[in-house]
Amino acid sequence: SQQGEEDPQALSIQEGENATMNCSYKTSINNLQWYRQNSGRGLVHLILIRSNEREKHSGRLRVTLDTSKKSSSLLITASRAADTASYFCATLTQGGSEKLVFGKGTKLTVNP
Amino acid sequence: AAGVIQSPRHLIKEKRETATLKCYPIPRHDTVYWYQQGPGQDPQFLISFYEKMQSDKGSIPDRFSAQQFSDYHSELNMSSLELGDSALYFCASSPGLAGYTFGSGTRLTVV
Repeated sequence: SQQGEEDPQALSIQEGENATMNCSYKTSINNLQWYRQNSGRGLVHLILIRSNEREKHSGRLRVTLDTSKKSSSLLITASRAADTASYFCATLTQGGSEKLVFGKGTKLTVNP
Repeated sequence: AAGVIQSPRHLIKEKRETATLKCYPIPRHDTVYWYQQGPGQDPQFLISFYEKMQSDKGSIPDRFSAQQFSDYHSELNMSSLELGDSALYFCASSPGLAGYTFGSGTRLTVV
């Protein structure tokens, strides 16, 4: 069954704007991770936020986690055309086996 | 730094043939995961190994099998291939609960 659901499924913005993607999940988690994937290419780990953290920053990335709502958001600030990719959240379930369960992803297009 | 190496990068097989995908994890990573990503889909967990033993199994068809060898590399064997098996197959390795590193994937096309 699907763990993470992402919203929106597709997002198109202009360069310089901020992009916000949301992810919801169903079970208790150990951590939540965000990945980026260029079309048909490999998955690149962006950032990990643990269940006891509420916010994390890495460069132009800001991730929030609300365990009471079982949701997370990824904010990319000052977007660039090179940020065009699909972004997936993935959860590591607490107390379960150590595997990542991916959401359906948000396809981000940044127009120059 | 060494990454997760997958081979081959691309593979074309006919229906009912067999395919073997290989994964070489990052040194000292003791856990290997296999994922399947169909066109326009999210990655789906197939199977994982910890210290050469199967640790978890996901939505892996019975036609597929995998193992991890003494040198920690892993192979995913797929038999009686079907058109629907066409996908990107990713391997990832991890030293624990964090720090997953994915390989570039093997694109399997079944014709």
